[in-house]
Amino acid sequence: DAGVIQSPRHEVTEMGQEVTLRCKPISGHDYLFWYRQTMMRGLELLIYFNNNVPIDDSGMPEDRFSAKMPNASFSTLKIQPSEPRDSAVYFCASSRPGQGANGYTFGSGTRLTVV
Amino acid sequence: GNSVTQMEGPVTLSEEAFLTINCTYTATGYPSLFWYVQYPGEGLQLLLKATKADDKGSNKGFEATYRKETTSFHLEKGSVQVSDSAVYFCALNRMDSNYQLIWGAGTKLIIKP
Repeated sequence: DAGVIQSPRHEVTEMGQEVTLRCKPISGHDYLFWYRQTMMRGLELLIYFNNNVPIDDSGMPEDRFSAKMPNASFSTLKIQPSEPRDSAVYFCASSRPGQGANGYTFGSGTRLTVV
Repeated sequence: GNSVTQMEGPVTLSEEAFLTINCTYTATGYPSLFWYVQYPGEGLQLLLKATKADDKGSNKGFEATYRKETTSFHLEKGSVQVSDSAVYFCALNRMDSNYQLIWGAGTKLIIKP
């Protein structure tokens, strides 16, 4: 298995531009999570999906952030417009059916820099 | 509410030293407890876990015991290597949502040769 695949690995963009981060979960995993990691705030859960349906988006910082999961093998996190304070590493993780937190697998992350 | 507190880093040790990274938690009920490791430039990986009191999780020479009486899950290793240099995260699962984890702030470990 290739694991959770995120793209791009690095993204540098100018303030005000739209940014789209992508994630392919492990085949057969029915939960997908988006996390943000910063030095100041640590790991923050932004949103998670079950069977492609958003379950909890209370961690999404503001309306500039949106996430979609059009099918079981693909999810996007979009920031529009981007701001320098959005600079962080964004992780996607997926989990196996019935495993709960015992079945978490993380991707390698996307390092976003907004200048 | 639920929370996880880890010792602040960085923790700097010499190779072959004994390692302890402290982790304490507050939680309603009896959550599962986890240690994740993040190597430089990579995502988090599950290192070990324990699902009930007195369970000992172990992997790659690391161990942690679920202590209900002290609400702790300290990570230990008898002899660290340079390759163990990483950030270590303690976490527990929310009782109202088995798929959501509450994370500690992480502890950076630096092993010098």
